[in-house]
Amino acid sequence: ETGVTQTPRHLVMGMTNKKSLKCEQHLGHNAMYWYKQSAKKPLELMFVYNFKEQTENNSVPSRFSPECPNSSHLFLHLHTLQPEDSALYLCASSHQGGGPNSPLHFGNGTRLTVT
Amino acid sequence: KNEVEQSPQNLTAQEGEFITINCSYSVGISALHWLQQHPGGGIVSLFMLSSGKKKHGRLIATINIQEKHSSLHITASHPRDSAVYICAGRYSGGGADGLTFGKGTHLIIQP
Repeated sequence: ETGVTQTPRHLVMGMTNKKSLKCEQHLGHNAMYWYKQSAKKPLELMFVYNFKEQTENNSVPSRFSPECPNSSHLFLHLHTLQPEDSALYLCASSHQGGGPNSPLHFGNGTRLTVT
Repeated sequence: KNEVEQSPQNLTAQEGEFITINCSYSVGISALHWLQQHPGGGIVSLFMLSSGKKKHGRLIATINIQEKHSSLHITASHPRDSAVYICAGRYSGGGADGLTFGKGTHLIIQP
């Protein structure tokens, strides 16, 4: 049990579908993150929320839409994705906005396949 | 440019062997993280260090600030150590999470 729970673990969707990824953390953290991990590439930061406010959007296409209703829950809404969006999507959380001494706690990820 | 380079990319060893994974980084990091990712995908933070050496069980992490280099060692390796090991440097001004990740080292320990 990592304290950060992601659902679903696996998702296959067509390019015209709309789906959502969910992340929940039970660690009392106030910062949450979405990362994308593609094969043979380093982890890429997509979105950051501190105290429910989005503070980072690393030029992510609008077909990815994050939502953070409270400091414990984070969603990633997906629509009209492309096959190259197939990847492992990881959620993470940390305390105090991820300061230098705040380690990240990761979920197990959602393996997304876009057909 | 903030960079983190890991070597080797892939490593296969026999059970019981001493394992070393290396990480080099550019100037300016305030801390270096070692992460472990199992085949299921989840990532676990192993160490966060800014100087010296840390040990947890059979895992040892060292960092040499002058040489901008860190190593992760595994003693008496076991098949359950098979995973991807990721090095990440925390840079000032490196984005909201401040982290630059390496590509990872894929370790396989054979029985």
